[in-house]
Amino acid sequence: EAGVTQSPTHLIKTRGQQVTLRCSPISGHTSVYWYQQALGLGLQFLLWYDEGEERNRGNFPPRFSGRQFPNYSSELNVNALELEDSALYLCASSLRRLNEKLFFGSGTQLSVL
Amino acid sequence: DAKTTQPPSMDCAEGRAANLPCNHSTISGNEYVYWYRQIHSQGPQYIIHGLKNNETNEMASLIITEDRKSSTLILPHATLRDTAVYYCIVRTGTGANNLFFGTGTRLTVIP
Repeated sequence: EAGVTQSPTHLIKTRGQQVTLRCSPISGHTSVYWYQQALGLGLQFLLWYDEGEERNRGNFPPRFSGRQFPNYSSELNVNALELEDSALYLCASSLRRLNEKLFFGSGTQLSVL
Repeated sequence: DAKTTQPPSMDCAEGRAANLPCNHSTISGNEYVYWYRQIHSQGPQYIIHGLKNNETNEMASLIITEDRKSSTLILPHATLRDTAVYYCIVRTGTGANNLFFGTGTRLTVIP
């Protein structure tokens, strides 16, 4: 069974540009979570989607947004990129049930120059 | 919104038990303790979780104190492949809240 897949694996952008990151959850999982991990830091919660709806949002500015498609895949969009947006962006998926485990992808490494 | 406190780093000799502590003094009655680990540049991997009873699986054991204000993850026979950052998090079991990972404990297994 395929795990959580993310694309692209690496990305280089310049300040002010926009970027879209993609995530395909494990088959049957309806919840998708996005995290940001800056170099040397812990994971910062960004967004949680379930059944196509945004269920929760972390403490990030509105230029971080996303959506979940009917097939439960998800996109994370970041507008007006800033240097401090350089980070590893991780996507996780889970079933929507009690004590569900999160399964993570390998992430997208974004560098903003 | 840090709910857990972990030491930033620990060393463990290969073959020995690694005991990783976590303080969660503000844990509420319906919050579970979860442990994940992140091997360099990979996504975190689920290890184990529990509410108030001790738990064991093929990867590790989780010991939760009676007052539930702290817990210990035990890797019974650490190997070099266990070198990773270990995250202790607390959350309700319904998935309806944020999952705060913090900065974790960097465990280095020494040959």
